Amino acid sequence: AQRVTQPEKLLSVFKGAPVELKCNYSYSGSPELFWYVQYSRQRLQLLLRHISRESIKGFTADLNKGETSFHLKKPFAQEEDSAMYYCALSGSGNTGKLIFGQGTTLQVKP
Amino acid sequence: GAVVSQHPSWVICKSGTSVKIECRSLDFQATTMFWYRQFPKQSLMLMATSNEGSKATYEQGVEKDKFLINHASLTLSTLTVTSAHPEDSSFYICSAREPFSGELFFGEGSRLTVL
Repeated sequence: AQRVTQPEKLLSVFKGAPVELKCNYSYSGSPELFWYVQYSRQRLQLLLRHISRESIKGFTADLNKGETSFHLKKPFAQEEDSAMYYCALSGSGNTGKLIFGQGTTLQVKP
Repeated sequence: GAVVSQHPSWVICKSGTSVKIECRSLDFQATTMFWYRQFPKQSLMLMATSNEGSKATYEQGVEKDKFLINHASLTLSTLTVTSAHPEDSSFYICSAREPFSGELFFGEGSRLTVL
C-alpha cells in the first residue's frame, strides 16, 4: 500500500539550529517524492521535489531508497521557516495524484 | 507562478442542502484537477481526480453520488456536496496540474460548515 509517514507532529527548534523533518514512505515501485509547505493563512505550495535535487530556501532533501526516506533538512533554521510541512508521494505513471503525510509543524523560536 | 482560486472560501449551509465549490485555474489550462479533504489538524486526503471532458475518478471510500465533480472546461472544476450533513463539514482543497511543468498548484481551500 502507498503510505507516507511523518512521525513528528511538532518540531520546535531555536533560530540558527539545524532542522530535520522526517519522512518515510511505502511504495512498491519508483515514486516521486515532494515536500510542500504551508505558511500561516496561506495555501499549500511546493517546496522541493526529489528529481530536481535542488536547494530551496536553504532546504534540501535526499531520497534514500534503501531506507525509504526523504527527510527534509536545513542547517540553520530561520524564524520565517515556521510553517506546516507535508511530505508527499506520487506513484509511477505521472498521474499527478499525491499521497500526503500527516504533516509536521515546524516552530522556530527566536 | 500559476494561480488556482477556489470559491467560496467559506460557506455555511443547513443540513440537507447542496453546496457547490468552484476551483479555477486563472492563468493556465488544466485538463486534470484534484480534490482533497482535510480534517482539523490532519493531512490532506485525496477524494477524486477531475478530468476535463470525462468522468471524475474517485478514490476508494469516497461516495461519487455524494460528492459530484464536474470539469466542464479547461479552467474550472466544481465539487458539489449533495444533501450535506454535519459530518461533511470540512476543509476542501483543490489543485490543478500545470500542463507543461506538471507541477500542482493549490487553491486556498474552502471551509464548509453544515449545521
